[in-house]
Amino acid sequence: AQSVAQPEDQVNVAEGNPLTVKCTYSVSGNPYLFWYVQYPNRGLQFLLKYITGDNLVKGSYGFEAEFNKSQTSFHLKKPSALVSDSALYFCAVVNTGFQKLVFGTGTRLLVSP
Amino acid sequence: DGGITQSPKYLFRKEGQNVTLSCEQNLNHDAMYWYRQDPGQGLRLIYYSQIVNDFQKGDIAEGYSVSREKKESFPLTVTSAQKNPTAFYLCASSSGVGFNQPQHFGDGTRLSIL
Repeated sequence: AQSVAQPEDQVNVAEGNPLTVKCTYSVSGNPYLFWYVQYPNRGLQFLLKYITGDNLVKGSYGFEAEFNKSQTSFHLKKPSALVSDSALYFCAVVNTGFQKLVFGTGTRLLVSP
Repeated sequence: DGGITQSPKYLFRKEGQNVTLSCEQNLNHDAMYWYRQDPGQGLRLIYYSQIVNDFQKGDIAEGYSVSREKKESFPLTVTSAQKNPTAFYLCASSSGVGFNQPQHFGDGTRLSIL
């Protein structure tokens, strides 16, 4: 069965510093991987996805994610954090055959001024 | 602007009562989804529909029902059989079938028990 782990409930970073939000996955076959962001009392917004090809995927709002097959990881990164990046971030994986999308439990990112 | 509209934003349910959450999209998407979000948990799939007049159970369908009579609309009914309905409910849609497409989400309905 496929699964996603976001090992950190919360990540704290100072504005202007680089940020990383971690995600590891377990799936049979080749994965499709997604990152979504959720602001308070709002729905999720799509940030980026990995299908195949380059291991570094660029997405919205300056975010990027690095796919590492050997470590089964898909960490979200941004070179310089903004206070407005503070939100809840979800990693999700789809297995081959596209039968199911599984979300991680989310990581709260807090960027301090 | 294209998007997904969920209503109401807040909903209160009395014991033994069925309530219906509305979800409308004008993105011309084929697939629509209902998720439940509880604090500290990821999203859990309740039902999904990939085509009009057809829908499939997700992981936690018990106590819920849906219909898909129109492409734009996918209402969710929380029945009295759902003993713990308090949660944030999110509707989503995507182009094409299968879960490999990015999903677009509405802003949710927060359901509480009176």
